[in-house]
Amino acid sequence: EIVMTQSPATLSVSPGDKATLSCRASQTIDTDLAWYQQKPGQAPRLLIYHSSTRASGVAARFSGSGSGTEFTLTISSLQSEDCAVYYCQQYHYWPPLTFGGGTNVEI
Amino acid sequence: QLQLQESGPGLVKPSETLSLTCSVSGVSITTSDYWGWIRQPPGKGLEWIASIYHTGVRRYNPSLKSRVTMSVDTFEHKFSLTLTSLIAADTAVYYCARMTVGGIFNVWGQGALVAVSS
Repeated sequence: EIVMTQSPATLSVSPGDKATLSCRASQTIDTDLAWYQQKPGQAPRLLIYHSSTRASGVAARFSGSGSGTEFTLTISSLQSEDCAVYYCQQYHYWPPLTFGGGTNVEI
Repeated sequence: QLQLQESGPGLVKPSETLSLTCSVSGVSITTSDYWGWIRQPPGKGLEWIASIYHTGVRRYNPSLKSRVTMSVDTFEHKFSLTLTSLIAADTAVYYCARMTVGGIFNVWGQGALVAVSS
């Protein structure tokens, strides 16, 4: 099983700041990584797939990068509506599909 | 526009069996996608449970495989999850989702909270 580790657990930022979230895989997953955003009381929403491709309707301030075992989600200029928990997920080798523990972005 | 809606009991007793259904509307369930279940215990992260293709090909999380069964009803445009021998740790919000063949969850239902308690 591929273990996904996210850091930090909580990220406190101010509006307009750049937020950088990290995700590490226990073994190489090429670019088979997705990022999801989950706001309180809501289902997760797909933001990024193939490490850096934005899903339909996702704002350009969200960008993803990385390959192999190290990945980054960047929010270039944080807005209040970006307060959420962000999860990474690998789909390189499954079953099982595995998620990271999440990063809580708070303002 | 694709919509997914979970349905099932809100409360189940320990050792009993949970049955959940996800109704698919807006697209055919026989598209070239998988359909999956993911759960989230209160205050915790996401755990993939299982996925199914409309032909019946199934993929299960090995950690739950002995207790999980997934099925699809192409006529009723639904797919279902059965989880047996429930314990308190199965208490979670259960989400159904559309999954690409590659394993990306691109549309999610709103989730159904299931509590396991006597």
